[in-house]
Amino acid sequence: AQTVTQSQPEMSVQEAETVTLSCTYDTSENNYYLFWYKQPPSRQMILVIRQEAYKQQNATENRFSVNFQKAAKSFSLKISDSQLGDTAMYFCAFMNYNDYKLSFGAGTTVTVRA
Amino acid sequence: DAGITQSPRHKVTETGTPVTLRCHQTENHRYMYWYRQDPGHGLRLIHYSYGVKDTDKGEVSDGYSVSRSKTEDFLLTLESATSSQTSVYFCAIRGPGQDAYEQYFGPGTRLTVT
Repeated sequence: AQTVTQSQPEMSVQEAETVTLSCTYDTSENNYYLFWYKQPPSRQMILVIRQEAYKQQNATENRFSVNFQKAAKSFSLKISDSQLGDTAMYFCAFMNYNDYKLSFGAGTTVTVRA
Repeated sequence: DAGITQSPRHKVTETGTPVTLRCHQTENHRYMYWYRQDPGHGLRLIHYSYGVKDTDKGEVSDGYSVSRSKTEDFLLTLESATSSQTSVYFCAIRGPGQDAYEQYFGPGTRLTVT
């Protein structure tokens, strides 16, 4: 399994503000995929955003965007205009091309304050 | 909704007893996965299946076995449960077509071994 590191166990953000979650990974491969999953208190795992390593353009999904730095092996998630419903644990995950197996980081708990 | 159900959703069992968790999907997906979620570790792959009767080990397979006799069902068995297997267990399927690099998760099963 690949090593995926999320160095921030917990983060807190005021409603409507922006928060950035960090993720680094270790790989010698050139082709791979990176993901951010959200896990609210309901425990359901929800895919937030996906990035293909061969794409230079950073992925965006509404208020969620990533900063993918391939050389630095960094993949951060920015949540803009934070909403109370964004309160959840967020997991960074890695998948090698043609492997179809996910390696997850330990997760970051995000709390959005009213 | 990827049509994935898990049963039971909660279970408490005693050390040394056998336990079987069931994952059921309704959309004929070929690939299915079992993960466990523990604090500080994120999700870790236990076993996966790439077709009926085709299975392989993941990162943390010791103490677990799996079976897949039908496309729709993927069973995870703890032959003799131990307290270290107390965890939340997630089943996932691999997405179809252009979503092949995405995984969709079931609701999870919380297992407590006393």
